[in-house]
Amino acid sequence: GIQVEQSPPDLILQEGANSTLRCNFSDSVNNLQWFHQNPWGQLINLFYIPSGTKQNGRLSATTVATERYSLLYISSSQTTDSGVYFCAVEAKAAGNKLTFGGGTRVLVKP
Amino acid sequence: DTAVSQTPKYLVTQMGNDKSIKCEQNLGHDTMYWYKQDSKKFLKIMFSYNNKELIINETVPNRFSPKSPDKAHLNLHINSLELGDSAVYFCASSQDWWGTEAFFGQGTRLTVV
Repeated sequence: GIQVEQSPPDLILQEGANSTLRCNFSDSVNNLQWFHQNPWGQLINLFYIPSGTKQNGRLSATTVATERYSLLYISSSQTTDSGVYFCAVEAKAAGNKLTFGGGTRVLVKP
Repeated sequence: DTAVSQTPKYLVTQMGNDKSIKCEQNLGHDTMYWYKQDSKKFLKIMFSYNNKELIINETVPNRFSPKSPDKAHLNLHINSLELGDSAVYFCASSQDWWGTEAFFGQGTRLTVV
């Protein structure tokens, strides 16, 4: 199956700092999504981004499909950004199953 | 209006019991899924249904049986619960079975004692 690796595994930020989370994947994908799992356990859709760049407020994401990676940028972080960020990909070669990476656990300190 | 809703949110039960988790989506999607999140937060697909037909069935004990009475509902029944079944179970849906955005319910935290 497809391998999805996220880095770093853990990130501690001071409020107001910027950060970049990375997702590497091992095969061509037809779907890539970023999710935020908040401290209450909800999985919130951030981006559906199989290729290209998107922005939503303080968050933006870029996927370079040909090089098999995606980046999630958090700017001016806030304490509400704390939680776990997941990258998930879907590949035809892996049966079109949405496969999750291990996540990046983010803690934003006030 | 919750797009993907699952009930119950919490479930505590004894070993050996049988329990069900219900899921409904009001997005008009054709495909629904069950995912399991373990204690290390790892999320893995269990089942997928497209238009009420089972299309993905991962290596899951046959004590787990999904049922899709219609496109908008996908329930998960678990027989003879074991301690190792304790996890958070997420239902999700997407417009189609590939290449479309998936949306998740709020999760059901199952604790087997």
